[in-house]
Parts: sequence; C-alpha cells; structure tokens
Amino acid sequence: GQQLNQSPQSMFIQEGEDVSMNCTSSSIFNTWLWYKQDPGEGPVLLIALYKAGELTSNGRLTAQFGITRKDSFLNISASIPSDVGIYFCAGRGASNYQLIWGAGTKLIIKP
Amino acid sequence: GAVVSQHPSWVICKSGTSVKIECRSLDFQATTMFWYRQFPKQSLMLMATSNEGSKATYEQGVEKDKFLINHASLTLSTLTVTSAHPEDSSFYICSARDQGDEQYFGPGTRLTVT
Repeated sequence: GQQLNQSPQSMFIQEGEDVSMNCTSSSIFNTWLWYKQDPGEGPVLLIALYKAGELTSNGRLTAQFGITRKDSFLNISASIPSDVGIYFCAGRGASNYQLIWGAGTKLIIKP
Repeated sequence: GAVVSQHPSWVICKSGTSVKIECRSLDFQATTMFWYRQFPKQSLMLMATSNEGSKATYEQGVEKDKFLINHASLTLSTLTVTSAHPEDSSFYICSARDQGDEQYFGPGTRLTVT
C-alpha cells in the first residue's frame, strides 16, 4: 500500500545533539502526525498537525506541517538517552480516518 | 487520558489453535478501532478497521475468516487469529480513535506460533 517517504532511516546521535527528520508524500494530507515507538511497545503520539504551515512544539520536540501539505519535519533539540527509539510520521487525508505511515527513523545514541 | 490496553501482552500457541486478543479503550469511548500488524524493523500495516456494532472492513490481502474481529461495545474490540500458523507470528497492535479523530495505540501483543 501507499507509504510516506521518511528519512533518514536511522541516525546515530550523541547526547545533547539536535536531531531532524522529515517525511514527504506525493499526495496531499489534511493531518500530519508524529509517533514514537519503543521496543515491544505501541506507538505513542508526540505531535499532531492540522493546518498547512503550522509549527507546533511539545517540550524539546518541534514539528511543522509543510505549506504544500505534502511534507512534514520533526526536530528534537538537545537529545537525551530516553529519546532513542523509532519515530514514525503518519498522514491522514480528508476522506477517511486511516493513517498512511512512514517507514520510521531509528534513533541510536553513540556510545 | 486516551489510554488503550491490550491483553495479552504476549502469547505462545501451537499451530492450528486459535488466539483471541483484546483491545480496550480505558477512559474514552471509541466508535472506531484499528488492528495493525508489525513485522520486525518495519512500519505498521493496517489489517482492518473495526466500527462498533458493524462488520469490520478488511484491507486487501487480509483474510477475514482467519482474522475475526468483533467490536461489540464502545470500549472493546477483539481480534481472533483462527487456526494459527507460524507465519502468523507477529506483533499485533490495536488503536482506538477518540472524538478528536486521533488514534491512540495499545502496547501491542506479541504472538508466537510454534
């Protein structure tokens, strides 16, 4: 099925570094969502974006809904060890409640 | 708020048996619940959309007779994997849609079929 283009696939970060990841789509979405999934757990909603151009923060996390409605990015500032995990973007169109998912970005802390 | 639970968190069963997984929205009513399957190092794959009081809508390629879904109340949906085989081993995750249209996910159920 349809999938969003999420990059990078993985990132090796040092504690304290800022992190950026993004998702793009060939289709327009009305909603962009960012989730984090820890091993053996379900995804947890981090940020929801509902309007083109919207910039929303949640603590050290900031996400933006692209003006074209075909992309979104997530930034994490001053990363800490508990930020490790897999981050997924998801988009939702106007026609139904189903989510289209990115492949995920895996954050790894450099030893 | 918006807590979703799943039970069991993990289950091991023998090939040919059936397994039931429960998904509950604990502090909100969910008219729609979703069932996903996730393979290692992959994204979530939607299996079916479950609406309270009506038949589930299955995604293409998902066998409705093998993955039975029942959504009998606004807080409970169940997924039954019938005649399970080793290839059904996976991580099954449910989500529930709140009145704000967002999906909140359960912690997942790890199914291993031996």
